[in-house]
Amino acid sequence: AQSVTQLGSHVSVSEGALVLLRCNYSSSVPPYLFWYVQYPNQGLQLLLKYTSAATLVKGINGFEAEFKKSETSFHLTKPSAHMSDAAEYFCAVILSGAGSYQLTFGKGTKLSVIP
Amino acid sequence: DSGVTQTPKHLITATGQRVTLRCSPRSGDLSVYWYQQSLDQGLQFLIQYYNGEERAKGNILERFSAQQFPDLHSELNLSSLELGDSALYFCASSGYGPGQDHYNEQFFGPGTRLTVL
Repeated sequence: AQSVTQLGSHVSVSEGALVLLRCNYSSSVPPYLFWYVQYPNQGLQLLLKYTSAATLVKGINGFEAEFKKSETSFHLTKPSAHMSDAAEYFCAVILSGAGSYQLTFGKGTKLSVIP
Repeated sequence: DSGVTQTPKHLITATGQRVTLRCSPRSGDLSVYWYQQSLDQGLQFLIQYYNGEERAKGNILERFSAQQFPDLHSELNLSSLELGDSALYFCASSGYGPGQDHYNEQFFGPGTRLTVL
């Protein structure tokens, strides 16, 4: 079965500092990987996705992630944190089979940005 | 705005009761997914419908059921509610279908927050 593990349930960074949120996956086949963001009292918004094309994926709001097969990782980064980045971030993988493509999510990482 | 609507936004009810959550997918999307977000279990997939037919089941309790209607809106029915059913329930829709890109983005609604007292 495919799954994702997010390291660190809570990450704090200073405004302007590098954001690094970690995600490792386990999959027996090439996965489709996603990062979603959830702002307080809102739904989930897709930040970026990896679908076996370029290994470095650029998303919205200045975020990017790199797929590293050798490390089974898909870490999310942003060079300079902004106060508006404070939210919860979820890594997810497509669990495919029998024509369904539901998402399997990690536990989430809550990002705090310190002014 | 994702284009996916969910009603009601909040729901407070008592144990043993039954509630219905409603989801309207984005225009043209045939596939609807239901997810539950709770502090204990995190975000979990419950069930998927495609064009009116059940396509996949996840960690959905037998007390829960869903359906998708001809106009493609979907309802999630939760019965014999327990305290542990308190959670945020999300609906997502995608354009997934035969012949389509199978990793089409899922667009999430704002969720229904269910509180069971």
